[in-house]
Amino acid sequence: DVKVTQSSRYLVKRTGEKVFLECVQDMDHENMFWYRQDPGLGLRLIYFSYDVKMKEKGDIPEGYSVSREKKERFSLILESASTNQTSMYLCASRDRDGRASYEQYFGPGTRLTVT
Amino acid sequence: SQQGEEDPQALSIQEGENATMNCSYKTSINNLQWYRQNSGRGLVHLILIRSNEREKHSGRLRVTLDTSKKSSSLLITASRAADTASYFCATVLTGGGNKLTFGTGTQLKVEL
Repeated sequence: DVKVTQSSRYLVKRTGEKVFLECVQDMDHENMFWYRQDPGLGLRLIYFSYDVKMKEKGDIPEGYSVSREKKERFSLILESASTNQTSMYLCASRDRDGRASYEQYFGPGTRLTVT
Repeated sequence: SQQGEEDPQALSIQEGENATMNCSYKTSINNLQWYRQNSGRGLVHLILIRSNEREKHSGRLRVTLDTSKKSSSLLITASRAADTASYFCATVLTGGGNKLTFGTGTQLKVEL
């Protein structure tokens, strides 16, 4: 069965801390994504990766970076956390282009609070 | 930027009734997808409709797509309390490759 896991369900960090959010998928998918979800704004794409060591900016990359050293793992990094980064973070993966489905598979989410 | 806008923002119905949610989008799409999110959880893919399709069914779900109006609707028939969730439409733009652009969602509550 398809599975995307995220390292934490809940996380509380202080302003200025460096924060790592980890995502692992077991489906051998090429594409992985990080979104943030805020009330009234839906899901917004932060970064995505279409291959190991490859990344592209999404709609709201400011304040974030990513790392993809292995195919199954995609990390989101907040270099210096700020209170406006308090949000639900969702990771997703998708099979490579050319396959039949555009469906994305989501992890359970990490609710991050920055105080 | 938001590609999709769902309507209504919130919907409350009785078990057994049908629920209809609408999605409008702005630019040409390759396909449109609907996802469900239970409270505080990740999203689950429900159904995908391609730009050359007009209607699609999956169990109690029926999706329509009108590319001339840039709109889609999701119908859930014979709703159950377990259908209580938020529902999001998401579009893959023509030439947009990997990216899904989500709407703001409809919160559905199905009461016993």
